[in-house]
Amino acid sequence: ETGVTQTPRHLVMGMTNKKSLKCEQHLGHNAMYWYKQSAKKPLELMFVYNFKEQTENNSVPSRFSPECPNSSHLFLHLHTLQPEDSALYLCASSQDLYSPGQPQHFGDGTRLSIL
Amino acid sequence: QKEVEQNSGPLSVPEGAIASLNCTYSDRGSQSFFWYRQYSGKSPELIMFIYSNGDKEDGRFTAQLNKASQYVSLLIRDSQPSDSATYLCAVNGWKNKLVFGAGTILRVKS
Repeated sequence: ETGVTQTPRHLVMGMTNKKSLKCEQHLGHNAMYWYKQSAKKPLELMFVYNFKEQTENNSVPSRFSPECPNSSHLFLHLHTLQPEDSALYLCASSQDLYSPGQPQHFGDGTRLSIL
Repeated sequence: QKEVEQNSGPLSVPEGAIASLNCTYSDRGSQSFFWYRQYSGKSPELIMFIYSNGDKEDGRFTAQLNKASQYVSLLIRDSQPSDSATYLCAVNGWKNKLVFGAGTILRVKS
């Protein structure tokens, strides 16, 4: 596999469920990101990890909990979500955070629907 | 003021015409600028990046940057129906974060 892979592609869950989104990158990158994309709104950065360390939490509610066990894998644990959390969740990676201008490469996203 | 602004469109152009997509940004310290293409239901795909003032060409795509005016644009020559997508402008900001515009919908009519 190449690039950035996200699973599942689609997820429907109730507000009381607990689920996890998974992201894996095969690009040898050291920085990974979670974004939320809602209809007609800009991509919203949620979390940033660099060399497995979280460097950014963009005021994300605690019902979203990220985990980065190594530079290739990133998870987003979900619990007690709200209907407004329904969106496309995108994972991205880049070489690292230190070199300016590094492009980010995106996975295909997980389409999340909260009932 | 939004950090990165784009006209939401849709921008409609006939097949074979030049499509011009524009983006303005508010952070004068921004150094890197990216254009992503996103088809419906798909992830953003990097198509161009530019760091220096002026033009940068890659095939049918030309990125133009004017840091004094805080303006970056993307020209698509000989537009094809397959170019129909949402084009996202992204600007490298504080702590190397990318800040995205909301995107411009482009429709190329055959």
